[in-house]
Amino acid sequence: ELKVEQNPLFLSMQEGKNYTIYCNYSTTSDRLYWYRQDPGKSLESLFVLLSNGAVKQEGRLMASLDTKARLSTLHITAAVHDLSATYFCAVVPVSGTYKYIFGTGTRLKVLA
Amino acid sequence: DAGVIQSPRHEVTEMGQEVTLRCKPISGHDYLFWYRQTMMRGLELLIYFNNNVPIDDSGMPEDRFSAKMPNASFSTLKIQPSEPRDSAVYFCASSPTGASNEKLFFGSGTQLSVL
Repeated sequence: ELKVEQNPLFLSMQEGKNYTIYCNYSTTSDRLYWYRQDPGKSLESLFVLLSNGAVKQEGRLMASLDTKARLSTLHITAAVHDLSATYFCAVVPVSGTYKYIFGTGTRLKVLA
Repeated sequence: DAGVIQSPRHEVTEMGQEVTLRCKPISGHDYLFWYRQTMMRGLELLIYFNNNVPIDDSGMPEDRFSAKMPNASFSTLKIQPSEPRDSAVYFCASSPTGASNEKLFFGSGTQLSVL
Protein backbone atom coordinates (compact mmCIF):
# COMPACT_ATOMS: atom_id res chain seq x y z
CA GLU A 1 0.00 0.00 0.00
CA LEU A 2 1.34 3.40 -0.99
CA LYS A 3 2.09 5.66 1.96
CA VAL A 4 2.82 9.34 1.64
CA GLU A 5 4.26 11.13 4.64
CA GLN A 6 5.00 14.77 5.14
CA ASN A 7 7.05 16.52 7.74
CA PRO A 8 6.69 18.58 9.64
CA LEU A 9 2.96 18.30 10.29
CA PHE A 10 2.86 21.77 11.78
CA LEU A 11 5.18 24.65 11.08
CA SER A 12 5.16 28.07 12.63
CA MET A 13 7.67 30.49 11.20
CA GLN A 14 8.51 34.14 11.19
CA GLU A 15 8.05 36.31 8.16
CA GLY A 16 11.20 36.58 6.10
CA LYS A 17 12.55 33.17 7.10
CA ASN A 18 13.21 30.17 4.86
CA TYR A 19 12.00 26.65 5.45
CA THR A 20 11.49 23.31 3.69
CA ILE A 21 8.61 20.87 3.81
CA TYR A 22 9.40 17.24 3.01
CA CYS A 23 7.25 14.63 1.29
CA ASN A 24 8.34 10.98 1.40
CA TYR A 25 6.50 8.19 -0.39
CA SER A 26 6.82 4.45 -0.13
CA THR A 27 6.58 3.12 -3.67
CA THR A 28 7.82 3.88 -7.15
CA SER A 29 6.31 6.95 -8.69
CA ASP A 30 7.30 9.58 -11.21
CA ARG A 31 4.33 11.85 -10.69
CA LEU A 32 4.10 14.14 -7.73
CA TYR A 33 1.80 17.07 -7.10
CA TRP A 34 1.67 19.85 -4.54
CA TYR A 35 -1.58 21.47 -3.43
CA ARG A 36 -2.50 24.29 -1.14
CA GLN A 37 -5.58 24.45 1.10
CA ASP A 38 -6.68 27.58 2.93
CA PRO A 39 -8.77 27.06 6.09
CA GLY A 40 -12.31 26.02 5.25
CA LYS A 41 -11.56 26.08 1.55
CA SER A 42 -10.90 23.64 -1.24
CA LEU A 43 -7.55 22.49 -2.60
CA GLU A 44 -5.78 24.26 -5.41
CA SER A 45 -2.90 22.94 -7.45
CA LEU A 46 0.54 24.48 -7.03
CA PHE A 47 3.02 22.26 -8.87
CA VAL A 48 3.18 19.17 -11.04
CA LEU A 49 6.51 17.29 -10.99
CA LEU A 50 6.89 14.55 -13.57
CA SER A 51 10.48 13.39 -13.62
CA ASN A 52 13.52 12.81 -11.48
CA GLY A 53 15.27 16.09 -10.83
CA ALA A 54 12.25 18.19 -11.81
CA VAL A 55 12.18 21.63 -10.23
CA LYS A 56 9.32 24.13 -10.40
CA GLN A 57 9.17 27.61 -8.92
CA GLU A 58 6.35 30.06 -8.39
CA GLY A 59 7.01 33.18 -6.38
CA ARG A 60 8.43 32.26 -2.98
CA LEU A 61 7.74 28.55 -3.42
CA MET A 62 10.01 26.04 -5.11
CA ALA A 63 9.29 22.32 -5.44
CA SER A 64 11.66 19.54 -6.42
CA LEU A 65 11.48 15.80 -6.97
CA ASP A 66 14.02 13.03 -6.37
CA THR A 67 12.40 9.81 -7.54
CA LYS A 68 15.34 7.65 -6.50
CA ALA A 69 15.07 8.84 -2.92
CA ARG A 70 11.25 8.92 -3.19
CA LEU A 71 11.36 12.44 -1.85
CA SER A 72 9.94 15.79 -2.81
CA THR A 73 10.61 19.10 -1.13
CA LEU A 74 8.68 22.34 -1.03
CA HIS A 75 11.00 25.20 -0.17
CA ILE A 76 9.68 28.48 1.12
CA THR A 77 11.87 31.55 0.65
CA ALA A 78 11.38 34.70 2.74
CA ALA A 79 7.96 33.64 4.00
CA VAL A 80 5.08 36.11 4.08
CA HIS A 81 1.79 35.89 5.98
CA ASP A 82 -0.18 35.12 2.80
CA LEU A 83 1.59 31.76 2.56
CA SER A 84 -0.18 30.56 5.71
CA ALA A 85 -2.15 27.47 4.63
CA THR A 86 -1.98 23.69 4.64
CA TYR A 87 0.22 22.16 1.97
CA PHE A 88 -0.32 18.67 0.62
CA CYS A 89 1.75 16.51 -1.65
CA ALA A 90 0.04 13.81 -3.71
CA VAL A 91 1.56 10.83 -5.48
CA VAL A 92 0.32 8.55 -8.23
CA PRO A 93 2.01 5.14 -8.16
CA VAL A 94 3.57 3.82 -11.36
CA SER A 95 1.01 1.10 -11.80
CA GLY A 96 -1.18 2.29 -14.61
CA THR A 97 -3.72 3.83 -12.29
CA TYR A 98 -4.79 7.36 -11.60
CA LYS A 99 -5.07 6.82 -7.88
CA TYR A 100 -3.87 10.13 -6.42
CA ILE A 101 -2.79 9.47 -2.82
CA PHE A 102 -2.38 12.51 -0.61
CA GLY A 103 0.13 13.08 2.13
CA THR A 104 -0.72 13.98 5.69
CA GLY A 105 -0.46 17.70 5.03
CA THR A 106 1.74 20.38 6.58
CA ARG A 107 -0.04 23.20 8.32
CA LEU A 108 2.03 26.35 7.89
CA LYS A 109 1.54 29.49 9.93
CA VAL A 110 3.63 32.52 9.09
CA LEU A 111 3.84 34.99 11.92
CA ALA A 112 4.11 38.69 11.20
CA ASP B 1 -15.95 27.54 -16.65
CA ALA B 2 -17.76 27.16 -13.32
CA GLY B 3 -15.38 24.57 -11.96
CA VAL B 4 -16.39 21.45 -10.09
CA ILE B 5 -19.72 22.03 -8.40
CA GLN B 6 -20.77 20.19 -5.26
CA SER B 7 -24.01 20.31 -3.37
CA PRO B 8 -25.03 20.79 -0.71
CA ARG B 9 -22.25 22.86 0.89
CA HIS B 10 -23.37 21.82 4.35
CA GLU B 11 -25.46 18.88 5.47
CA VAL B 12 -26.61 18.17 9.00
CA THR B 13 -28.48 14.94 9.57
CA GLU B 14 -29.31 12.48 12.27
CA MET B 15 -27.76 9.08 12.67
CA GLY B 16 -29.53 6.48 10.58
CA GLN B 17 -30.67 8.86 7.88
CA GLU B 18 -29.73 8.56 4.24
CA VAL B 19 -27.38 11.22 2.89
CA THR B 20 -26.75 12.00 -0.78
CA LEU B 21 -23.90 14.21 -1.90
CA ARG B 22 -23.80 15.52 -5.44
CA CYS B 23 -21.07 16.53 -7.85
CA LYS B 24 -20.94 18.07 -11.29
CA PRO B 25 -17.46 17.77 -12.82
CA ILE B 26 -15.89 20.21 -15.22
CA SER B 27 -17.26 19.63 -18.70
CA GLY B 28 -14.93 17.46 -20.78
CA HIS B 29 -13.16 15.91 -17.82
CA ASP B 30 -12.99 12.12 -18.05
CA TYR B 31 -12.01 11.34 -14.48
CA LEU B 32 -13.97 11.96 -11.30
CA PHE B 33 -12.75 11.36 -7.77
CA TRP B 34 -14.44 11.35 -4.36
CA TYR B 35 -12.30 12.16 -1.31
CA ARG B 36 -13.09 12.39 2.38
CA GLN B 37 -11.17 14.73 4.67
CA THR B 38 -10.98 14.44 8.45
CA MET B 39 -8.49 15.68 10.99
CA MET B 40 -7.60 12.16 12.06
CA ARG B 41 -7.23 10.48 8.67
CA GLY B 42 -6.47 13.38 6.34
CA LEU B 43 -7.54 13.12 2.71
CA GLU B 44 -8.74 9.65 1.79
CA LEU B 45 -9.56 8.55 -1.74
CA LEU B 46 -12.91 6.79 -1.66
CA ILE B 47 -13.54 5.98 -5.31
CA TYR B 48 -12.73 7.21 -8.78
CA PHE B 49 -14.45 6.92 -12.15
CA ASN B 50 -13.22 7.01 -15.72
CA ASN B 51 -15.77 7.79 -18.40
CA ASN B 52 -18.56 7.15 -15.87
CA VAL B 53 -17.22 3.70 -14.96
CA PRO B 54 -15.97 3.04 -11.40
CA ILE B 55 -12.31 2.06 -11.64
CA ASP B 56 -11.23 1.70 -8.03
CA ASP B 57 -13.57 1.68 -5.04
CA SER B 58 -11.14 0.12 -2.58
CA GLY B 59 -11.29 3.22 -0.42
CA MET B 60 -15.01 3.04 0.20
CA PRO B 61 -15.15 2.34 3.92
CA GLU B 62 -18.21 0.12 4.15
CA ASP B 63 -21.23 -1.16 2.32
CA ARG B 64 -23.11 1.81 3.70
CA PHE B 65 -21.28 3.92 1.13
CA SER B 66 -22.13 3.83 -2.55
CA ALA B 67 -21.26 6.04 -5.51
CA LYS B 68 -22.71 6.34 -8.97
CA MET B 69 -22.00 8.29 -12.11
CA PRO B 70 -25.02 7.94 -14.39
CA ASN B 71 -23.61 10.35 -16.97
CA ALA B 72 -20.55 12.47 -17.66
CA SER B 73 -21.91 15.51 -15.86
CA PHE B 74 -23.19 14.08 -12.60
CA SER B 75 -22.10 11.85 -9.75
CA THR B 76 -23.53 11.01 -6.34
CA LEU B 77 -22.08 9.64 -3.14
CA LYS B 78 -24.68 8.07 -0.89
CA ILE B 79 -24.39 7.01 2.73
CA GLN B 80 -27.17 4.81 4.08
CA PRO B 81 -27.54 4.63 7.01
CA SER B 82 -25.32 7.47 8.18
CA GLU B 83 -23.33 7.33 11.41
CA PRO B 84 -21.61 10.04 13.48
CA ARG B 85 -18.18 8.77 12.39
CA ASP B 86 -19.09 9.68 8.81
CA SER B 87 -18.87 13.35 9.75
CA ALA B 88 -16.23 14.89 7.49
CA VAL B 89 -15.72 17.13 4.50
CA TYR B 90 -16.35 15.27 1.26
CA PHE B 91 -14.60 16.58 -1.83
CA CYS B 92 -15.25 15.79 -5.44
CA ALA B 93 -12.48 16.37 -7.97
CA SER B 94 -12.19 15.94 -11.71
CA SER B 95 -9.31 15.62 -14.16
CA PRO B 96 -9.24 16.14 -17.92
CA THR B 97 -7.72 12.92 -19.20
CA GLY B 98 -5.88 11.24 -16.37
CA ALA B 99 -2.64 11.85 -18.21
CA SER B 100 0.47 12.17 -16.09
CA ASN B 101 0.59 15.94 -16.18
CA GLU B 102 -3.05 16.40 -15.33
CA LYS B 103 -3.80 17.80 -11.95
CA LEU B 104 -7.01 17.44 -10.02
CA PHE B 105 -9.58 20.22 -9.91
CA PHE B 106 -11.46 20.19 -6.62
CA GLY B 107 -14.94 21.29 -5.74
CA SER B 108 -15.70 23.37 -2.68
CA GLY B 109 -16.61 20.31 -0.65
CA THR B 110 -19.62 19.22 1.39
CA GLN B 111 -19.34 19.56 5.16
CA LEU B 112 -21.31 16.62 6.57
CA SER B 113 -22.32 16.46 10.22
CA VAL B 114 -24.10 13.35 11.46
CA LEU B 115 -25.60 13.83 14.90
